Amino acid sequence: KAGVTQTPRYLIKTRGQQVTLSCSPISGHRSVSWYQQTPGQGLQFLFEYFSETQRNKGNFPGRFSGRQFSNSRSEMNVSTLELGDSALYLCASSLGDRGYEKLFFGSGTQLSVL
Amino acid sequence: GESVGLHLPTLSVQEGDNSIINCAYSNSASDYFIWYKQESGKGPQFIIDIRSNMDKRQGQRVTVLLNKTVKHLSLQIAATQPGDSAVYFCAENIEGTASKLTFGTGTRLQVTL
Repeated sequence: KAGVTQTPRYLIKTRGQQVTLSCSPISGHRSVSWYQQTPGQGLQFLFEYFSETQRNKGNFPGRFSGRQFSNSRSEMNVSTLELGDSALYLCASSLGDRGYEKLFFGSGTQLSVL
Repeated sequence: GESVGLHLPTLSVQEGDNSIINCAYSNSASDYFIWYKQESGKGPQFIIDIRSNMDKRQGQRVTVLLNKTVKHLSLQIAATQPGDSAVYFCAENIEGTASKLTFGTGTRLQVTL
């Protein structure tokens, strides 16, 4: 069974640009969540999508958005990039239909904002 | 409880010894706890989980202990191996909030030969 796939693996952007990251969940998983990982703040929850709807949201500004498609694949978008957005962005998938979710993470997209 | 940390605490253990990694969680309403292992260049990998109605859960070479009174979680790794070298994170969750995990700051485990 293939794991969670994230593309691209590395990305370099400049301030003010926008970026779109992609995540393909494990087959059969309907929930996709996104996390930001930085040395200073650690792992922080961005948002979760389930059946194409945002189900949970973290404390990030509106510049961070996402969506989920009917095949459960998800994209995350960051507009007007800031230097502080440099981070490893992790996607995790789970079945999504139970109270306690075991998350499976991808290897992440390393975003550098110059 | 947001995770904040510039410097990861490090635990250095000799190969073959047992390792104990500790975690203090922040939310008394949390009722589900998970340990993840993250190797360099990879995403976190699930190790073991425990619900708040349990005090202890064992897996293969790993044991998680939960003390709700003091909001403390620990991960015990038996017969630590070089392949166990990684950063270990505890995470907490409240039932019904699905994938919204709150992660701890992490502990780096170094296994020496």
